[in-house]
Amino acid sequence: DTAVSQTPKYLVTQMGNDKSIKCEQNLGHDTMYWYKQDSKKFLKIMFSYNNKELIINETVPNRFSPKSPDKAHLNLHINSLELGDSAVYFCASRDVGNSPLHFGNGTRLTVT
Amino acid sequence: GQQVMQIPQYQHVQEGEDFTTYCNSSTTLSNIQWYKQRPGGHPVFLIQLVKSGEVKKQKRLTFQFGEAKKNSSLHITATQTTDVGTYFCAGARLTGGGNKLTFGTGTQLKVEL
Repeated sequence: DTAVSQTPKYLVTQMGNDKSIKCEQNLGHDTMYWYKQDSKKFLKIMFSYNNKELIINETVPNRFSPKSPDKAHLNLHINSLELGDSAVYFCASRDVGNSPLHFGNGTRLTVT
Repeated sequence: GQQVMQIPQYQHVQEGEDFTTYCNSSTTLSNIQWYKQRPGGHPVFLIQLVKSGEVKKQKRLTFQFGEAKKNSSLHITATQTTDVGTYFCAGARLTGGGNKLTFGTGTQLKVEL
């Protein structure tokens, strides 16, 4: 059983398009995250949701819009894709407090 | 904002050599976590340190949390090819939105035979 699953694994698209990445966790965790990893491997938090409520929103262009229909799902929609959006996007979840993050396998987004 | 830096950014070692990565935070942390990301994979949790000066061991890996809770290190004794990957520290601090984890810049380790 995959604990945190994201789809798609690869996404190749052209500039200006709109795309979505889906994430689901079956761990019963209350908190979910989106991280962006660039070509230098830097991992940067984008958003965090706790039980469907947005709690962390880092400095991310408003072309990125997260949506959490329930606490097991956190999707990421990106409008008007730009070349600089090319990266690996990781979904993660964690239980309360200081518990570890559980990451999905990542979605490699390539914008051409 | 909070910054968490790691050095070195890259490290190449021969199999059997030791390896250390250092993690430094610009602010005092409530705890620190370490993750390993294999090439093409996703970050996987290794360990968490909470107490000032804490030292924990996992087989050949030794983790340390500084006395001031602003720095940490990961030391691998006698590296093996299975140790290849990127090692991240992640510092936690309390914010208005709860516990926020900030990842370090990572150290990419390559092990050659």
